[in-house]
Parts: sequence; C-alpha cells; structure tokens
Amino acid sequence: EAGVAQSPRYKIIEKRQSVAFWCNPISGHATLYWYQQILGQGPKLLIQFQNNGVVDDSQLPKDRFSAERLKGVDSTLKIQPAKLEDSAVYLCASSLGGTGSREQFFGPGTRLTVL
Amino acid sequence: GEDVEQSLFLSVREGDSSVINCTYTDSSSTYLYWYKQEPGAGLQLLTYIFSNMDMKQDQRLTVLLNKKDKHLSLRIADTQTGDSAIYFCADNSGYSTLTFGKGTMLLVSP
Repeated sequence: EAGVAQSPRYKIIEKRQSVAFWCNPISGHATLYWYQQILGQGPKLLIQFQNNGVVDDSQLPKDRFSAERLKGVDSTLKIQPAKLEDSAVYLCASSLGGTGSREQFFGPGTRLTVL
Repeated sequence: GEDVEQSLFLSVREGDSSVINCTYTDSSSTYLYWYKQEPGAGLQLLTYIFSNMDMKQDQRLTVLLNKKDKHLSLRIADTQTGDSAIYFCADNSGYSTLTFGKGTMLLVSP
C-alpha cells in the first residue's frame, strides 16, 4: 500500500513570498490532517478535513494560511505571505476516519525555510 | 489547554532497556499514543493504549498507563542502535485530534 505522499520535500523562500505544499493521502482515507512541526517541538495540528469538509481549523493562522481539499482526495496548504517564524516541517497525515480508525499515517513532510 | 510533557533526552547502551516517560493533563483522553520519528522522516505509530487499560505489551514494547497520575511510559526491551530516534507521546483531546509532547531523543550507543 502506498503511503502518504508530499511535495516538495524541501523549500527555501524569502519572507513575504508565497508557498504551497501538496499532499496525496492513502487511497480511501477520508480524514486528512496538516501539522506544523517547529524544530525541537512536537507536531501541532493546523487543520483537519473529513472528506472535503473542514472539521477543525482552530489553530490555523487564517490571515496567512489557507488549505483546501477539493474532491476529498488531494490537499494543498498555502502560506501567503510567509514570515520567518513559519520555518518548520509541514506534515500531512491521513486516517480512515470514523470511530474505529485510530491510526494516523504520516507523510515524510516538507521542510520550509524562510529567510 | 491540554498539555503533554516528556523528558527531552535519554541515552542507553545497546541491549539495555529504555524507559521513556510522559505526563498529560487532559483527563478526557481516551487513547494515548507513542510515535517514533527518524531523521528526515515522518512519524510512525509504534503503539497505543486505551485509557481503561493499564498495560499493553507488543513484542519489545511495553506501555504502562497510570490514569490517576496521568502518567504514561514506554519501555523498549533489548534496545538496539536502530531504535535511536525521537519518540513522541500523544493523546487525543478531541474526536481524533492529537496533542503531541515535544519528543524524547533516544540515543543508543553500541
């Protein structure tokens, strides 16, 4: 079974530029998550989708971050404009969804450096 | 808000047992998890325990849960150099939302 795919793996941009990350979850997984992992910290949930609807985006900085999951499969996370403190690894995860599916499967992440 | 705390670093010799500790504050957590992260990789689920259990064993891994003290531990028996990684404790504070600790870096020396 193919895992969660993310691209790009690395991105370096200057502050105030825009950037987008892409995630392809495991086939059949209804729930998709985006996490931000700052160096030395655990992952922090940014947004959770159930199919193409948003379940939780309470920790998403909506003035600069946006995410969508059109058609309930792939997802993109965008930052516009980027700040220095956005430097982090952005992890995408997916799960089957529903009360029986406890495991979240993580992609390798996109490492963003903002200069 | 919910908080998950872990010690930051543990160093052991190959063949010894490793014990990684975690405390959490959310008394409504129903599942508690241990994830492993190797350099440059995403997180891999190692094991999880339901909150009405106090112990779970899975090959070399033993999870102990003290719900009264909100304390979770992961014991790795016969630790190998390939176990060197960062280990994250997490609890689910919502429907499936995970709150992670900062991670414990385990270094296994030969």
